[in-house]
Amino acid sequence: AQKVTQAQTEISVVEKEDVTLDCVYETRDTTYYLFWYKQPPSGELVFLIRRNSFDEQNEISGRYSWNFQKSTSSFNFTITASQVVDSAVYFCALSEFVYNQGGKLIFGQGTELSVKP
Amino acid sequence: DAMVIQNPRYQVTQFEKPVTLSCSQTLNHNVMYWYQQKSSQAPKLLFHYYDKDFNNEADTPDNFQSRRPNTSFCFLDIRSPGLGDAAMYLCATSRDFGTGRPNYGYTFGSGTRLTVV
Repeated sequence: AQKVTQAQTEISVVEKEDVTLDCVYETRDTTYYLFWYKQPPSGELVFLIRRNSFDEQNEISGRYSWNFQKSTSSFNFTITASQVVDSAVYFCALSEFVYNQGGKLIFGQGTELSVKP
Repeated sequence: DAMVIQNPRYQVTQFEKPVTLSCSQTLNHNVMYWYQQKSSQAPKLLFHYYDKDFNNEADTPDNFQSRRPNTSFCFLDIRSPGLGDAAMYLCATSRDFGTGRPNYGYTFGSGTRLTVV
């Protein structure tokens, strides 16, 4: 069965510190997608990145970077020079595919990031 | 802009009084999902529609029902809400061309926060 584990329940950092959010996943599929979402206090899920299992290239988007390693089944997320506005709950998720039934997102438990001024 | 719209944003309902949450989309996506997210927990899939086909999760209580009258709209009906059903309900869509893989990822609505009094 597919599973996503975010071992860090809460992280607290001071502004301008770098912070890494860990994500480990389990799947028997050879093709899958991994996602990161941000959920601010208002509750909406904000899409950050999608990565498919074929592409292990790391990605950088501004202060955000992602490290995907199939060998360790990890998809970690780093925020460089954190800001107070980065405070939110971050979810890592895995897509499970069933032919002609659509893909389903399986979420990790989330990591609550608090960035203090 | 194409989007997923959930109404209302906040819903207060009485204990055991039927309530309906709505979701509409302008993306023409063929798959629609309903997730339940309780406080400090990950979103949990309740069910989803692949075109007109309804797919219920095994552990979704019978108290929860869904209707999809057309491609654009999907409703979540809670027949007899209990206090434990207070949560954020998230609607999401995806486009699946029959491969079982969402081609454009998932688009989430802003959610409906349900309070049961």
